Amino acid sequence: NAGVTQTPKFQVLKTGQSMTLQCAQDMNHEYMSWYRQDPGMGLRLIHYSVGAGITDQGEVPNGYNVSRSTTEDFPLRLLSAAPSQTSVYFCASRDPQGGKYEQYFGPGTRLTVT
Amino acid sequence: ILNVEQSPQSLHVQEGDSTNFTCSFPSSNFYALHWYRWETAKSPEALFVMTLNGDEKKKGRISATLNTKEGYSYLYIKGSQPEDSATYLCAFMKTSYDKVIFGPGTSLSVIP
Repeated sequence: NAGVTQTPKFQVLKTGQSMTLQCAQDMNHEYMSWYRQDPGMGLRLIHYSVGAGITDQGEVPNGYNVSRSTTEDFPLRLLSAAPSQTSVYFCASRDPQGGKYEQYFGPGTRLTVT
Repeated sequence: ILNVEQSPQSLHVQEGDSTNFTCSFPSSNFYALHWYRWETAKSPEALFVMTLNGDEKKKGRISATLNTKEGYSYLYIKGSQPEDSATYLCAFMKTSYDKVIFGPGTSLSVIP
C-alpha cells in the first residue's frame, strides 16, 4: 500500500492564482481531511469528508473548496491564492469503522504564495 | 468550535529525564482522544488512540492516561532520549465519523 499520497510536494503561486492540491489514499478509508500547519497553532482543519459525495467545513475553510467524487481522492482547491495561505498542507485519512480511529497523514505540500 | 488545549507549549529536558505533557478537551460528547508524534519535516504519526475513561496505553518508554470525566489526558515519557525530540499533538473527536480537532502541540527538545 502507498498509504496517503500528496502532489505536488512544493508549489509557488502568485497572489490571485488558483490551483488544486491532490490527495489520494489506497486504504479504502471513508474519512479524509485537509489540515494546514500554522506556527504555534499545530494543525488546523480546513475541510473533511466522511465518504464519497459528502464534505463539510472545518475550522478554517475560507478560500478553499473540496469535492469527493471517489473514496480514494480528496482534492483541495485554492480559489484565489493569498499570502496568508502560505503554509504546509497535510491530507489525512482514517477508517471510522475500523475501531482504531488513528489518522494516516500524507507527506505534505509546501505552498508559498507571493 | 472545539477547544483542545495543550501545556506546556515547549519543554527542554536533559537526556535521561522523565517528562509529561497535558491535553485538555471538552468533557461532554467525548468519543476518542488521539496522541501523535510529529518530527520536523515529517508527517505526524499516531502514538495512541484512547476511548474509555481510565484508559492507559503504553508504547516503549511512552505512556498515556485518559480522564474523560474531567477532560484531560497526560502523555509521559520515561528516560527521555534525543530521538524523542518532536512536537506531540493531541486530537479530539466526538463521534467515530466526526472531524478530528488538534491542540496546538507541545514541542519537546531533549538535550544530550
